[in-house]
Amino acid sequence: EAAVTQSPRSKVAVTGGKVTLSCHQTNNHDYMYWYRQDTGHGLRLIHYSYVADSTEKGDIPDGYKASRPSQENFSLILELASLSQTAVYFCASSESGGESNTGQLYFGEGSKLTVL
Amino acid sequence: AQSVDQPDAHVTLSEGASLELRCSYSYSAAPYLFWYVQYPGQSLQFLLKYITGDTVVKGTKGFEAEFRKSNSSFNLKKSPAHWSDSAKYFCALVSGGSNAKLTFGKGTKLSVKS
Repeated sequence: EAAVTQSPRSKVAVTGGKVTLSCHQTNNHDYMYWYRQDTGHGLRLIHYSYVADSTEKGDIPDGYKASRPSQENFSLILELASLSQTAVYFCASSESGGESNTGQLYFGEGSKLTVL
Repeated sequence: AQSVDQPDAHVTLSEGASLELRCSYSYSAAPYLFWYVQYPGQSLQFLLKYITGDTVVKGTKGFEAEFRKSNSSFNLKKSPAHWSDSAKYFCALVSGGSNAKLTFGKGTKLSVKS
Protein backbone atom coordinates (compact mmCIF):
# COMPACT_ATOMS: atom_id res chain seq x y z
CA GLU A 1 0.00 0.00 0.00
CA ALA A 2 1.33 3.37 -1.02
CA ALA A 3 2.05 5.63 1.90
CA VAL A 4 2.50 9.37 2.17
CA THR A 5 2.72 10.82 5.65
CA GLN A 6 2.64 14.47 6.59
CA SER A 7 3.64 16.31 9.71
CA PRO A 8 2.38 18.16 11.55
CA ARG A 9 -1.24 17.29 10.89
CA SER A 10 -2.33 20.54 12.42
CA LYS A 11 -0.50 23.73 13.28
CA VAL A 12 -1.28 27.21 14.51
CA ALA A 13 1.28 29.81 13.51
CA VAL A 14 1.65 33.52 14.08
CA THR A 15 1.79 36.03 11.28
CA GLY A 16 5.38 36.57 10.22
CA GLY A 17 6.58 33.33 11.71
CA LYS A 18 8.28 30.49 9.89
CA VAL A 19 6.41 27.28 9.18
CA THR A 20 7.76 24.03 7.82
CA LEU A 21 5.46 21.27 6.65
CA SER A 22 7.09 17.90 6.11
CA CYS A 23 6.18 15.01 3.87
CA HIS A 24 7.59 11.50 3.72
CA GLN A 25 6.73 8.83 1.18
CA THR A 26 7.57 5.15 1.12
CA ASN A 27 6.32 4.58 -2.42
CA ASN A 28 9.70 4.91 -4.10
CA HIS A 29 8.09 7.52 -6.35
CA ASP A 30 10.12 10.08 -8.21
CA TYR A 31 7.52 12.85 -8.20
CA MET A 32 6.29 14.70 -5.15
CA TYR A 33 3.87 17.63 -4.92
CA TRP A 34 2.50 20.19 -2.52
CA TYR A 35 -1.08 21.39 -2.97
CA ARG A 36 -3.24 23.70 -0.95
CA GLN A 37 -6.96 23.29 -0.55
CA ASP A 38 -9.23 26.24 0.09
CA THR A 39 -12.97 26.37 0.16
CA GLY A 40 -14.17 27.32 -3.28
CA HIS A 41 -10.84 26.73 -4.98
CA GLY A 42 -10.34 23.00 -5.05
CA LEU A 43 -6.67 22.01 -5.01
CA ARG A 44 -3.93 24.21 -6.37
CA LEU A 45 -0.34 23.17 -7.01
CA ILE A 46 2.31 25.11 -5.07
CA HIS A 47 5.57 23.30 -5.80
CA TYR A 48 6.62 19.94 -7.12
CA SER A 49 9.78 17.92 -7.56
CA TYR A 50 10.77 15.08 -9.85
CA VAL A 51 14.20 14.38 -8.40
CA ALA A 52 16.05 14.92 -5.15
CA ASP A 53 17.74 18.29 -4.68
CA SER A 54 15.54 19.92 -7.28
CA THR A 55 12.17 21.64 -7.04
CA GLU A 56 9.85 23.34 -9.52
CA LYS A 57 7.27 26.06 -9.17
CA GLY A 58 3.66 25.15 -9.54
CA ASP A 59 0.72 27.44 -10.17
CA ILE A 60 0.81 29.42 -6.91
CA PRO A 61 4.41 29.44 -5.60
CA ASP A 62 4.54 32.96 -4.19
CA GLY A 63 5.24 33.00 -0.46
CA TYR A 64 6.37 29.36 -0.41
CA LYS A 65 9.65 27.53 -0.75
CA ALA A 66 10.19 23.82 -1.16
CA SER A 67 13.00 21.45 -0.36
CA ARG A 68 13.61 17.88 -1.56
CA PRO A 69 16.68 16.58 0.28
CA SER A 70 16.01 12.96 -0.65
CA GLN A 71 13.65 10.93 -2.77
CA GLU A 72 11.52 10.19 0.27
CA ASN A 73 11.23 13.66 1.78
CA PHE A 74 9.69 16.89 0.54
CA SER A 75 9.15 19.97 2.68
CA LEU A 76 7.11 23.11 2.21
CA ILE A 77 8.48 26.21 3.89
CA LEU A 78 6.64 29.41 4.68
CA GLU A 79 9.36 31.89 5.66
CA LEU A 80 6.93 34.63 6.68
CA ALA A 81 3.51 33.15 7.29
CA SER A 82 0.54 35.33 6.42
CA LEU A 83 -3.16 35.16 7.16
CA SER A 84 -3.89 34.28 3.54
CA GLN A 85 -1.87 31.10 3.88
CA THR A 86 -4.40 29.58 6.24
CA ALA A 87 -5.45 26.43 4.40
CA VAL A 88 -5.16 22.68 4.31
CA TYR A 89 -1.98 21.49 2.63
CA PHE A 90 -1.67 18.16 0.89
CA CYS A 91 1.45 16.36 -0.13
CA ALA A 92 1.30 13.76 -2.88
CA SER A 93 3.59 11.45 -4.79
CA SER A 94 3.42 9.70 -8.13
CA GLU A 95 5.33 7.51 -10.50
CA SER A 96 7.50 9.27 -12.99
CA GLY A 97 5.88 8.42 -16.25
CA GLY A 98 3.96 6.10 -18.47
CA GLU A 99 0.37 6.31 -19.48
CA SER A 100 -0.74 3.94 -16.75
CA ASN A 101 0.67 6.24 -14.08
CA THR A 102 -0.53 9.52 -15.52
CA GLY A 103 -2.76 11.43 -13.16
CA GLN A 104 -2.61 8.83 -10.43
CA LEU A 105 -1.37 10.63 -7.35
CA TYR A 106 -1.15 9.26 -3.83
CA PHE A 107 -2.03 11.87 -1.25
CA GLY A 108 -1.11 12.33 2.36
CA GLU A 109 -3.78 13.04 4.94
CA GLY A 110 -3.26 16.78 4.90
CA SER A 111 -1.88 19.43 7.24
CA LYS A 112 -4.27 22.04 8.52
CA LEU A 113 -2.45 25.34 8.96
CA THR A 114 -4.02 28.26 10.75
CA VAL A 115 -2.16 31.56 10.71
CA LEU A 116 -3.25 34.08 13.33
CA ALA B 1 -4.91 27.13 -20.58
CA GLN B 2 -6.85 24.15 -19.37
CA SER B 3 -9.68 24.31 -16.87
CA VAL B 4 -12.13 22.03 -15.13
CA ASP B 5 -15.61 23.06 -14.07
CA GLN B 6 -17.84 21.28 -11.61
CA PRO B 7 -21.00 23.35 -11.68
CA ASP B 8 -22.67 21.81 -8.65
CA ALA B 9 -21.08 22.69 -5.33
CA HIS B 10 -23.52 20.45 -3.47
CA VAL B 11 -25.68 17.50 -4.49
CA THR B 12 -28.12 15.78 -2.16
CA LEU B 13 -30.02 12.61 -2.94
CA SER B 14 -31.65 9.66 -1.25
CA GLU B 15 -30.03 6.30 -0.80
CA GLY B 16 -30.93 4.02 -3.68
CA ALA B 17 -31.20 6.83 -6.20
CA SER B 18 -28.90 7.19 -9.16
CA LEU B 19 -26.16 9.73 -8.84
CA GLU B 20 -24.52 11.74 -11.56
CA LEU B 21 -21.93 14.39 -10.80
CA ARG B 22 -21.17 16.79 -13.59
CA CYS B 23 -17.76 17.77 -14.87
CA SER B 24 -16.84 19.78 -17.93
CA TYR B 25 -13.40 20.68 -19.15
CA SER B 26 -11.66 23.06 -21.44
CA TYR B 27 -8.53 21.87 -23.19
CA SER B 28 -7.40 22.23 -26.75
CA ALA B 29 -5.95 18.73 -27.15
CA ALA B 30 -6.96 15.25 -26.08
CA PRO B 31 -7.46 15.30 -22.33
CA TYR B 32 -6.60 12.79 -19.67
CA LEU B 33 -9.47 12.97 -17.17
CA PHE B 34 -9.76 11.77 -13.61
CA TRP B 35 -12.06 11.57 -10.64
CA TYR B 36 -10.86 11.67 -7.05
CA VAL B 37 -12.93 11.27 -3.88
CA GLN B 38 -12.33 12.81 -0.47
CA TYR B 39 -14.25 11.25 2.42
CA PRO B 40 -14.84 13.44 5.46
CA GLY B 41 -11.63 13.99 7.37
CA GLN B 42 -9.60 11.98 4.90
CA SER B 43 -7.31 12.64 2.00
CA LEU B 44 -8.02 12.34 -1.69
CA GLN B 45 -8.23 8.91 -3.25
CA PHE B 46 -8.01 8.06 -6.92
CA LEU B 47 -11.33 6.77 -8.26
CA LEU B 48 -11.00 6.34 -12.02
CA LYS B 49 -9.48 7.77 -15.17
CA TYR B 50 -9.99 8.18 -18.87
CA ILE B 51 -6.93 8.19 -21.10
CA THR B 52 -8.14 6.86 -24.42
CA GLY B 53 -10.33 4.12 -25.83
CA ASP B 54 -13.69 3.21 -24.36
CA THR B 55 -15.63 6.29 -23.42
CA VAL B 56 -17.16 4.65 -20.38
CA VAL B 57 -14.59 3.85 -17.74
CA LYS B 58 -15.14 1.94 -14.55
CA GLY B 59 -13.41 2.61 -11.28
CA THR B 60 -13.41 1.52 -7.71
CA LYS B 61 -16.41 1.41 -5.39
CA GLY B 62 -18.87 0.81 -8.24
CA PHE B 63 -18.35 4.16 -9.92
CA GLU B 64 -18.12 4.79 -13.64
CA ALA B 65 -17.68 7.85 -15.78
CA GLU B 66 -18.55 8.68 -19.35
CA PHE B 67 -16.31 10.79 -21.55
CA ARG B 68 -18.21 12.86 -24.11
CA LYS B 69 -16.02 14.76 -26.48
CA SER B 70 -19.02 16.40 -28.12
CA ASN B 71 -19.79 18.49 -25.06
CA SER B 72 -16.43 18.25 -23.24
CA SER B 73 -17.86 16.40 -20.29
CA PHE B 74 -16.76 13.61 -17.99
CA ASN B 75 -19.65 12.88 -15.64
CA LEU B 76 -19.38 10.48 -12.73
CA LYS B 77 -22.17 7.97 -12.21
CA LYS B 78 -23.27 5.31 -9.78
CA SER B 79 -26.47 3.41 -9.25
CA PRO B 80 -27.70 2.89 -6.65
CA ALA B 81 -26.08 5.40 -4.36
CA HIS B 82 -25.28 4.40 -0.79
CA TRP B 83 -24.99 6.60 2.28
CA SER B 84 -21.29 5.72 2.41
CA ASP B 85 -20.82 7.53 -0.90
CA SER B 86 -21.23 10.83 0.92
CA ALA B 87 -17.99 12.66 0.21
CA LYS B 88 -16.47 15.41 -1.86
CA TYR B 89 -15.67 14.49 -5.43
CA PHE B 90 -13.07 16.18 -7.56
CA CYS B 91 -12.75 16.04 -11.31
CA ALA B 92 -9.26 16.64 -12.71
CA LEU B 93 -7.49 16.98 -16.01
CA VAL B 94 -3.90 16.33 -17.03
CA SER B 95 -2.55 18.26 -19.96
CA GLY B 96 0.50 17.28 -21.90
CA GLY B 97 0.78 13.94 -20.16
CA SER B 98 2.52 15.49 -17.17
CA ASN B 99 1.27 14.97 -13.65
CA ALA B 100 2.60 18.41 -12.85
CA LYS B 101 -0.13 19.78 -15.06
CA LEU B 102 -2.94 18.19 -13.09
CA THR B 103 -5.77 20.71 -12.79
CA PHE B 104 -8.56 20.09 -10.29
CA GLY B 105 -12.10 21.33 -10.32
CA LYS B 106 -13.52 22.94 -7.19
CA GLY B 107 -15.27 19.76 -6.16
CA THR B 108 -18.86 18.62 -5.56
CA LYS B 109 -19.97 17.70 -2.08
CA LEU B 110 -22.32 14.75 -2.26
CA SER B 111 -24.72 13.96 0.55
CA VAL B 112 -26.65 10.70 0.38
CA LYS B 113 -29.53 10.52 2.85
CA SER B 114 -30.50 7.13 4.24
